[in-house]
Amino acid sequence: DQQVKQNSPSLSVQEGRISILNCDYTNSMFDYFLWYKKYPAEGPTFLISISSIKDKNEDGRFTVFLNKSAKHLSLHIVPSQPGDSAVYFCAANWGANKLVFGAGTILRVKS
Amino acid sequence: GAGVSQSPSNKVTEKGKDVELRCDPISGHTALYWYRQSLGQGLEFLIYFQGNSAPDKSGLPSDRFSAERTGGSVSTLTIQRTQQEDSAVYLCASSLQRETGELFFGEGSRLTVL
Repeated sequence: DQQVKQNSPSLSVQEGRISILNCDYTNSMFDYFLWYKKYPAEGPTFLISISSIKDKNEDGRFTVFLNKSAKHLSLHIVPSQPGDSAVYFCAANWGANKLVFGAGTILRVKS
Repeated sequence: GAGVSQSPSNKVTEKGKDVELRCDPISGHTALYWYRQSLGQGLEFLIYFQGNSAPDKSGLPSDRFSAERTGGSVSTLTIQRTQQEDSAVYLCASSLQRETGELFFGEGSRLTVL
């Protein structure tokens, strides 16, 4: 039972354009959402998060949008840079005991 | 270093052998987590420690898997009688802020069972 789904295994974007990574969830109890970025042979690193009481959080080139009624969140990266090429994991949390992760989306930014 | 440290970084073992994977969390982090990532899959939760106790071990796949944490710091994940399906990258993470769930991950231990 996948509670957090990232339906696009990969995404390819031209440098300078916008990257949009999507994530859907099924558990309405989730109250905190995070995006992690992972380079090969490294552990995931925290990128940006959003509480369920908000619908948008922005940090530099990265913006996360949350649509609670649709149980959907997205990560926007603009402008995209080649160094953004990585695997992006969406994660959700409730009860603060553990994060539930999606399967990840491979982002390739072409220069 | 100041980050989460895991060892070994790579382990190749024969089916049926036992393996131990070690995690040194960030100093002062009371919460410690083990996840694993199998080829082409997302991160799968295994177990969570708060201090030395494990209030949530619901993700351990079988009784061949066990974990302990001592002194509120180092944790060891033990897999007995390894099987080929145990091959994965085992990731340890620690956290200070339980409320937000922001985790700091180590680089992982890649386990290959032949």
